[in-house]
Amino acid sequence: EAQVTQNPRYLITVTGKKLTVTCSQNMNHEYMSWYRQDPGLGLRQIYYSMNVEVTDKGDVPEGYKVSRKEKRNFPLILESPSPNQTSLYFCASSTTSGGSWDEQFFGPGTRLTVL
Amino acid sequence: ILNVEQSPQSLHVQEGDSTNFTCSFPSSNFYALHWYRWETAKSPEALFVMTLNGDEKKKGRISATLNTKEGYSYLYIKGSQPEDSATYLCAFIGSNSGYALNFGKGTSLLVTP
Repeated sequence: EAQVTQNPRYLITVTGKKLTVTCSQNMNHEYMSWYRQDPGLGLRQIYYSMNVEVTDKGDVPEGYKVSRKEKRNFPLILESPSPNQTSLYFCASSTTSGGSWDEQFFGPGTRLTVL
Repeated sequence: ILNVEQSPQSLHVQEGDSTNFTCSFPSSNFYALHWYRWETAKSPEALFVMTLNGDEKKKGRISATLNTKEGYSYLYIKGSQPEDSATYLCAFIGSNSGYALNFGKGTSLLVTP
């Protein structure tokens, strides 16, 4: 089954404790992206990657890191989480066939709480 | 950050009503526009990818139009059903913004029987 998976789905942590949220897709998609969703603010893009070893900042990259060592994986790293990073996070992927950015396939979401 | 506006913010209609929402985006450096449907407690799912001025796309009772010259897209739902209740998001991709997706805040639709 074609899908985007994220782990963990739920996480409660404390300020300053490094964490990684994993994202994996099995559709051989080139484009992968991370978003956060906050009430009243909609979906905001954190980082995206056009392909292996190519990453770019989105609208709200501060406090986050990403890597794209393999095509299928795009982990989101919070080196020193803070309470303002409490949010619902989505990973997504898509093809870039024909020069057009196809529909994004979203993962199930990760609910993160930083105390 | 590019300005992508959606209106109305929320909408409540009766079953059987037809409705429409608007997504406004920068009219310059257009590359693509996406529409997504987001049900509560689920993940967003793609409805349409639109790339050409004048595009009209349809999926069942839902359709969308695109005007890149004036910077807007309309999403129409014909004969709304309770299962259409969801938040509808549009996302603009600009050719000079590194191909990042810029989402609007969405239109929340509630359809009551």
